[in-house]
Amino acid sequence: EAGVAQSPRYKIIEKRQSVAFWCNPISGHATLYWYQQILGQGPKLLIQFQNNGVVDDSQLPKDRFSAERLKGVDSTLKIQPAKLEDSAVYLCASSWGLETQYFGPGTRLLVL
Amino acid sequence: AQSVSQHNHHVILSEAASLELGCNYSYGGTVNLFWYVQYPGQHLQLLLKYFSGDPLVKGIKGFEAEFIKSKFSFNLRKPSVQWSDTAEYFCAVIAPSGGYQKVTFGTGTKLQVIP
Repeated sequence: EAGVAQSPRYKIIEKRQSVAFWCNPISGHATLYWYQQILGQGPKLLIQFQNNGVVDDSQLPKDRFSAERLKGVDSTLKIQPAKLEDSAVYLCASSWGLETQYFGPGTRLLVL
Repeated sequence: AQSVSQHNHHVILSEAASLELGCNYSYGGTVNLFWYVQYPGQHLQLLLKYFSGDPLVKGIKGFEAEFIKSKFSFNLRKPSVQWSDTAEYFCAVIAPSGGYQKVTFGTGTKLQVIP
């Protein structure tokens, strides 16, 4: 079974630039999560999708972050414009309902 | 607001020592509880989970956790650690919040096992 795929693996941008991350979940998983993990902290949920609908985006900074999951499969997370404090690892995970989450390798973002 | 506390941020043990990592959560209703582990250079992966039933759950690699509802705790234990258990451990809770099931992770505990 293929795991959760994410790209790119690393990204370096300057502040005020925009960036996009892509995630392809495990086939058949209806629930998709995006997390932000800052060094030394636990994963912070940014947005949770159930199929292509948003379940929880309460911690998503909506003035600069956006996410979509068209067709209920893969998803993109965008930051525009980026700030220094956005430097983090962005994790994508998927699950069948509220069961075990399967995590991708993450995208390490550095904002200069 | 729902929160998950892991009080041990960094733990150093010698091989064969016993391990207990604390996890406390703030939500008082029905919860689903998880421990995830991230080995160096690898993805986060499930160690064990509790949904209902026997409050003592067993996971992979000899780990177990006990759900104590009265203490809002889900501590992780292993009787004898190995060098290969060096990793970061995260407790996570899924609990009802505002009409949906909210996921919250703790801040993690880094475990270093010395040979």
